[in-house]
Amino acid sequence: AQSVTQLDSHVSVSEGTPVLLRCNYSSSYSPSLFWYVQHPNKGLQLLLKYTSAATLVKGINGFEAEFKKSETSFHLTKPSAHMSDAAEYFCVVSFSGGYNKLIFGAGTRLAVHP
Amino acid sequence: DAGVIQSTRHEVTEMGQEVTLRCKPISGHDYLFWYRQTMMRGLELLIYFNNNVPIDDSGMPEDRFSAKMPNASFSTLKIQPSEPRDSAVYFCASSGGNNEQFFGPGTRLTVL
Repeated sequence: AQSVTQLDSHVSVSEGTPVLLRCNYSSSYSPSLFWYVQHPNKGLQLLLKYTSAATLVKGINGFEAEFKKSETSFHLTKPSAHMSDAAEYFCVVSFSGGYNKLIFGAGTRLAVHP
Repeated sequence: DAGVIQSTRHEVTEMGQEVTLRCKPISGHDYLFWYRQTMMRGLELLIYFNNNVPIDDSGMPEDRFSAKMPNASFSTLKIQPSEPRDSAVYFCASSGGNNEQFFGPGTRLTVL
């Protein structure tokens, strides 16, 4: 069965410090992995995606994630947090099962303090 | 590109009333998804369509919920009768078949 676990429900950082949002997945198939961001009262926006090409994936707004098959992880990082990064982040897994069903993690709420 | 359109951002209704949520997917996308987001349960897939045909409705909570896609550019999610526990944000998303989904802004439903 496919599943995704976000290890932290809340993360708080200071502006200008690194961000790490952790995600582990379980998939019997070759997974596609995504990070989506949701700002308050907004829809979900795709940050980045991994689909079996380069294991280090760069996304928008300076975010990147590394696919580590041995650790079944897909952690999201950013070198320096900005106030505008405060939002909820969802790690998402899909699998090459012939259709587009996404499985969402529970989300990590990122707070950025001045 | 206008993106996925959910023109109604907030919908307020009274318990027992019928409520219909509407979605226009991105032109050319052949997958359409309806999600519900609540604090308690997070983001849940309710149903999805491929080429206007419902493929998986296992996430639809009860018979009170129904969804249609009469053509490639329009879908509805209907709740009849509505109950206070249906209060949530309902998102529509569409995809061109590469596993990447584009989400609408969502409709916040409040059932009094």
